[in-house]
Order: sequence, then C-alpha cells, then structure tokens
Amino acid sequence: EAQLLESGGALVQPGGTLKLSCEASGFPFSSFAMSWVRQAQGKGLEWVSSISGRGGTIYYAGSVKGRFTISRDNSKNTLYLQMNNLRPEDTAMYFCANTGNYGSLDSWGQGTLVTVSS
Amino acid sequence: QSVLTQPPSVSGAPGQRVIISCTGTSTNIGAGFDVHWYQQLPGRAPRLLIYGHTNRPSGVPERFSASTSGTSASLAITGLQAEDEADYYCQSNDIKETGLRVFGGGTRLTVL
Repeated sequence: EAQLLESGGALVQPGGTLKLSCEASGFPFSSFAMSWVRQAQGKGLEWVSSISGRGGTIYYAGSVKGRFTISRDNSKNTLYLQMNNLRPEDTAMYFCANTGNYGSLDSWGQGTLVTVSS
Repeated sequence: QSVLTQPPSVSGAPGQRVIISCTGTSTNIGAGFDVHWYQQLPGRAPRLLIYGHTNRPSGVPERFSASTSGTSASLAITGLQAEDEADYYCQSNDIKETGLRVFGGGTRLTVL
C-alpha cells in the first residue's frame, strides 16, 4: 500500500522561502509521476505542480510558476517543493499525491501546513 | 472561481440516492480528458473515489458510480450512509495549458 508523508511546513514571513518534502513508500516511486495539491482553510483543492517519474517533465499552476520548484530524488524516494517569494495567499495545507495511469491522484499524504504571515 | 462547477451542497436521507454534478467546458471535460472524483472526510486528506470517468479503485463500495457526457460529469451515491458525509471534488485536465489539472469547487454532502 502506498504511503506518503509530507514534512517541512512552517510559519514563514511574506517573501520568505520554504522547502517541503514528501517521503514515499510502498510503491515503485521512480515509476510514478507525483504532484503537489494545496488547500486553504475552508476552501477547495488547488493543483500546484506535477513531475514525471524521472523528473524530465514538469508542470506548474500559473499561480506558482516562477516561484515554486518541484523536484524529486528517486534514490531517496522523496518528492520536494521549493517555495520562494511566499505570499499570504500561499497559506494552505500542502498534500503530495502519486499519479495513476489515468492521470488521477491515486494516493495522498496527510499534508503539511504552510502559513505565510508577518 | 473554480474551472469546474459543482453545487456547493447536496443532501439526502440514509438509504437515498444523490447525484453530484460537475460542469466543465470544451477545454476540459468536453475536450475528452478523463474525469476523476475524490472524497474528503472532515479533517482528512482527499481519497480517490473514481478514476477515468467510471472506474472504482479497490476498496470503494459499488454504491459509488460516475459518468461523463459532453462537457459534464456526475457522481452518484446510492444507499446513502452516515459515513458518506464528506466533501466531494471532481478533477480533470485542461487544454489551456499543458499538464494543467483543474478541480471543481467541491460539494458538501450532508446525510440527514
């Protein structure tokens, strides 16, 4: 059974940086594309970024393009999200998920909370 | 404003059937992209409920079914149970940008 464990969330000031991690187990990590999805308190889900299994193909939502960088280390079964120039509107729970053959987000972690506030 | 439109809330009594709609456009659902559905119980992470329009992952009860037609999709839940009370989200892709994933705004299901 796939398991995903996010970490790295914290309180950070506007303009600050943060790096999230997502440790995966229970499935062949390098064979699966991975994604980050966020959810502000009381709001809906927002896709943030996706990366292919080998890391060669990357996509970003317009709201984070140029500020966030997704990456992965397949030797460590870990997905990352480098977040720069953070804004208050980036405040949310950040989930990582693996991507199935149909493009669905199959398994999700429990999330890590990012708060951007002065 | 979400790209896919869902009703904010639906409700039904135990044992009843409810349908949650998901309306898109010609650039997402209407473009032929797969539609997926997720269930999010209160305080929990989302869980995949339906993938590829109609397919249930193992462990998802047959009470949950979905379909897609044209620019819209729908999720049906039959034999409502108290444990079904949750938020439900539809998700697809959009041709406006390569790799763009879009979600519906979510529908809160209340079991009366």
